[in-house]
Amino acid sequence: DAKTTQPTSMDCAEGRAANLPCNHSTISGNEYVYWYRQIHSQGPQYIIHGLKNNETNEMASLIITEDRKSSTLILPHATLRDTAVYYCIALLPDRGSTLGRLYFGRGTQLTVWP
Amino acid sequence: DTGVSQNPRHKITKRGQNVTFRCDPISEHNRLYWYRQTLGQGPEFLTYFQNEAQLEKSRLLSDRFSAERPKGSFSTLEIQRTEQGDSAMYLCASSQGALLAKNIQYFGAGTRLSVL
Repeated sequence: DAKTTQPTSMDCAEGRAANLPCNHSTISGNEYVYWYRQIHSQGPQYIIHGLKNNETNEMASLIITEDRKSSTLILPHATLRDTAVYYCIALLPDRGSTLGRLYFGRGTQLTVWP
Repeated sequence: DTGVSQNPRHKITKRGQNVTFRCDPISEHNRLYWYRQTLGQGPEFLTYFQNEAQLEKSRLLSDRFSAERPKGSFSTLEIQRTEQGDSAMYLCASSQGALLAKNIQYFGAGTRLSVL
């Protein structure tokens, strides 16, 4: 699985868009980019994933560059409840025996302030 | 609540004691994962089950650790002769198994272990 690089921390004003970058320059052609977040004292929560095209769901948007070497998670209107550690993970959904185990790095601590 | 359930939420034990944690996955999810998370770090993979078969174990899973998933439903993680270094959050996750599996893993709230 490709290694990902994220900033250690970011902050954002409530109501503004939060843009969280992730570099995955060694990603292979069939590896997906997944985003999870972890609110303090809770288990990680799936946010969104994508392969090539930009994706949007009720939680966020995922913008993947054309060369797939980086991506950005966008929370369009951040709220205080979005304060969490955000993890960007690149992996194959199914690969032999590993069957999609997640490799979490240290993620980005996003702090949303009032 | 139909999410992943973990019990207990907190466990305090003395060094050398055995502890057992339980995970109840989302029903019909045939994949179950255990992760460990220490302070300031992201979760680290420990082991994985597909139905009742344990298919992979991380090198982090020493001989003192054992996991089971009888009948492919709930799972237990046992730590024997606990050490202070075992203090961590133990997370369980489950996902569906399908040909076009997206491997979206749903996590429980974890069991926080403190070894004194």
